[in-house]
Amino acid sequence: QSVLTQPPSVSGAPGQRVTISCTGSSSNIGSGYDVHWYQQLPGTAPKLLLYGTNNRPSGVPDRFSASKSGTSASLAITGLQAEDEADYYCQSYDTSLRVFGGGTKLTVL
Amino acid sequence: QLQLQESGSGLVRPSQTLSLTCTVSGVSIGSGPHCWTWIRQPPGRGLEWIGFVYHTGSGYYNPSLKSRVTISVDKSTNQFSLTLHSVTAADTAVYYCAREDSGIDYWGQGTQVTVSS
Repeated sequence: QSVLTQPPSVSGAPGQRVTISCTGSSSNIGSGYDVHWYQQLPGTAPKLLLYGTNNRPSGVPDRFSASKSGTSASLAITGLQAEDEADYYCQSYDTSLRVFGGGTKLTVL
Repeated sequence: QLQLQESGSGLVRPSQTLSLTCTVSGVSIGSGPHCWTWIRQPPGRGLEWIGFVYHTGSGYYNPSLKSRVTISVDKSTNQFSLTLHSVTAADTAVYYCAREDSGIDYWGQGTQVTVSS
């Protein structure tokens, strides 16, 4: 049971917009801690996708964006592409501890 | 370019101790207040944060593992290590070492550890 709750799966057709939610509590996201997002392609290590709620590392396209409100956060992907098919994880903090969401599998139809 | 590489035993007997080392290249572990981190991923499941160590040697652990885990740092060899005692089949996973700055920005490729007799 993960501390942060994500939907197990989402799907969308190429070109569409999808969102992935990440629900926490008052002890983590609701305390104002940053939320980071990771993309894990099959058989590879996770990659930092967005940090500090909505900052993109170099090389990450601006099709990826994130937001946060209250005890939840969300990742949005616009202009969906086949290469976006992957697992996505949110991560935040609970005092000095790090907590992950259970992950969401994105299927591009 | 910062790189991390895990090494260690891929097969551990139940009740024994898992030991992994992460070799860091491209930056000195002692150069800044980063969190040198271990994360694992059981087969077909999500990511689990194990803990991290600062270059000072202090750190934090996942409460669910705290009684069995130690993460240490060796600045002389630019490595940090994971020790997990009394392993069971539930500890079978891919283990990643990583660096945390703003988010976990650098990851090793991961190493499979199987707990089996």
